[in-house]
Amino acid sequence: DIQMTQSPSSLSASVGDRVTITCRASQGISNYLAWFQQKPGKAPKSLIYAASSLQSGVPSKFSGSGSGTDFTLTISNLQPEDFATYYCQQYNSYPLTFGGGTKVEIK
Amino acid sequence: QVKLVESGGGVVQPGRSLRLSCAASGFTFSSYGMHWVRQAPGKGLEWVAVISYDGSNKYYADSVKGRFTISRDNSKNTLYLQMNSLRTEDTAVYYCAKDTRTIIGVVIPCSNWGQGTLVTVSS
Repeated sequence: DIQMTQSPSSLSASVGDRVTITCRASQGISNYLAWFQQKPGKAPKSLIYAASSLQSGVPSKFSGSGSGTDFTLTISNLQPEDFATYYCQQYNSYPLTFGGGTKVEIK
Repeated sequence: QVKLVESGGGVVQPGRSLRLSCAASGFTFSSYGMHWVRQAPGKGLEWVAVISYDGSNKYYADSVKGRFTISRDNSKNTLYLQMNSLRTEDTAVYYCAKDTRTIIGVVIPCSNWGQGTLVTVSS
């Protein structure tokens, strides 16, 4: 199985900041990488697929990059509604696997 | 718009069975693969199983293989998860999620999610 490692597990940031979350796969997954946002008590929401493509309706403040084993999610101009937990997911092969999550908190 | 509504959760004793359902609407259910993903209290996301659009292909996480069965009824626009031999570690919110496809036909898993149903395995 492909292991997905996210870092950091949590971070504190201020409104207006730019933050970057990293995700590393235990083996190459090309660009079969998705990012999800989850707010407390809510279902996850798909943000990015194919490492860098935005889902419909997702603002351009979210961006993704990477290929192979190393990936990043960047959120620009953090707003109160962006404080949430973010997960990466590989879909190169089954079983699909998620990273452990990164909780973005208000400083 | 896409709507996925899970049901069937509840409290069940270890070793017993439970069947979850996911009612789909707002899209052509029979054209898309579907997933179950779970989240234990205070923990991260864990993928559970997937079924192809026509039910011909199924894959499972090792943690549930041999105990859980994913199925679908395209005539009823409904996805199921039959959970047998339940363990305390199966306690979680269970979400169903839908694949989607890009314009050029590339499959994107778990693009839309239901609100989840809580399963608690406890004596």
